[in-house]
Amino acid sequence: GQNIDQPTEMTATEGAIVQINCTYQTSGFNGLFWYQQHAGEAPTFLSYNVLDGLEEKGRFSSFLSRSKGYSYLLLKELQMKDSASYLCAVRDQSDSWGKLQFGAGTQVVVTP
Amino acid sequence: KAGVTQTPRYLIKTRGQQVTLSCSPISGHRSVSWYQQTPGQGLQFLFEYFSETQRNKGNFPGRFSGRQFSNSRSEMNVSTLELGDSALYLCASQGGNTEAFFGQGTRLTVV
Repeated sequence: GQNIDQPTEMTATEGAIVQINCTYQTSGFNGLFWYQQHAGEAPTFLSYNVLDGLEEKGRFSSFLSRSKGYSYLLLKELQMKDSASYLCAVRDQSDSWGKLQFGAGTQVVVTP
Repeated sequence: KAGVTQTPRYLIKTRGQQVTLSCSPISGHRSVSWYQQTPGQGLQFLFEYFSETQRNKGNFPGRFSGRQFSNSRSEMNVSTLELGDSALYLCASQGGNTEAFFGQGTRLTVV
């Protein structure tokens, strides 16, 4: 079956680094996405990986290993506004742009 | 460039009623997907429409339906509402095989 796993919650201090892991088992693979979602708001796009390796975008980086079914999102220089839920999602079909399988989300709590 | 617009933002309905939610995608995007988000189940895919055709469907009962118009705007309908249908309904717009952009969602409460 389809399975996307990520930790439920992580706590880190302002200015620190946090790594959120995501493992997946899906019937197909056509890209992995990370979204940030603040409470009561819509998910906002952070990163997209379709090939193995590291994608860096400012304070956020995302890594993918397709052979291991593994990705991580790295948040550097944490700020209080980074407290949010981080969602890992996999697109498992090439002919369906909009069908994403989501993990349950990792709640990141940034403390002063 | 305008983002994804969903209306209404909030709705309260009674069990047994039906509801229609609307989504206007980003201009030029032809793919619209719908998701249901609840605290217990997380984000779950409902269906995707592309050029007025349903391209994919999730594991939801037939009470959940949708359609897409020639201008790419989409609606989803839930008939015979149940208490368990209370959720945040999110619409996402895609212009290609890259990221999906989400609207602010419609918060539906069934009482």
